Amino acid sequence: AQSVTQLDSQVPVFEEAPVELRCNYSSSVSVYLFWYVQYPNQGLQLLLKYLSGSTLVKGINGFEAEFNKSQTSFHLRKPSVHISDTAEYFCAVSDDTGFQKLVFGTGTRLLVSP
Amino acid sequence: GAGVSQSPSNKVTEKGKDVELRCDPISGHTALYWYRQSLGQGLEFLIYFQGNSAPDKSGLPSDRFSAERTGGSVSTLTIQRTQQEDSAVYLCASSPLGGSTDTQYFGPGTRLTVL
Repeated sequence: AQSVTQLDSQVPVFEEAPVELRCNYSSSVSVYLFWYVQYPNQGLQLLLKYLSGSTLVKGINGFEAEFNKSQTSFHLRKPSVHISDTAEYFCAVSDDTGFQKLVFGTGTRLLVSP
Repeated sequence: GAGVSQSPSNKVTEKGKDVELRCDPISGHTALYWYRQSLGQGLEFLIYFQGNSAPDKSGLPSDRFSAERTGGSVSTLTIQRTQQEDSAVYLCASSPLGGSTDTQYFGPGTRLTVL
């Protein structure tokens, strides 16, 4: 079974500052990794995913994440945030067998202030 | 094109009543998923449908929960004899093929409140 840990429940940051949202996972098998964003009163939207290949993955809205197998991490970064990035961010993992059964972390609320 | 839609957007019910939640996936998507988002448990997988295959029900929390998918399209999640701990946002997602590398597209959810 897999599990995901997002240690930061809330990350406050000023507009145009860089941000990193942390995600660590646990699994005994190979995994795929995902970051989803949830804006208020909306469903989840995929930001990016790591399946294989380059460990640096670029996604939408200027976000990127780096897969680190030795540290079992998949941290999300953005060099300069906007007010509109205020949302809940979820890291998720699934194994590479069968269907995509996503296991989510508890989420990190990113609060961007002017 | 149209995304995943869910209805109703909000549902308030009394303890002990049955409720039905509906999901319309993206046209042409063969896979459909239900998740539950609650304060206590976070985001949890409930059930997965792929084409005409038997669904994977491994995430359903009790036998009060059931789901069906008619004609490989619309899905209904039914909760019988609702309890207060069933209060949550129920999210539906669909994906093109259902494989492990697919992208799931989520609907806006149904907020269920059990009084």
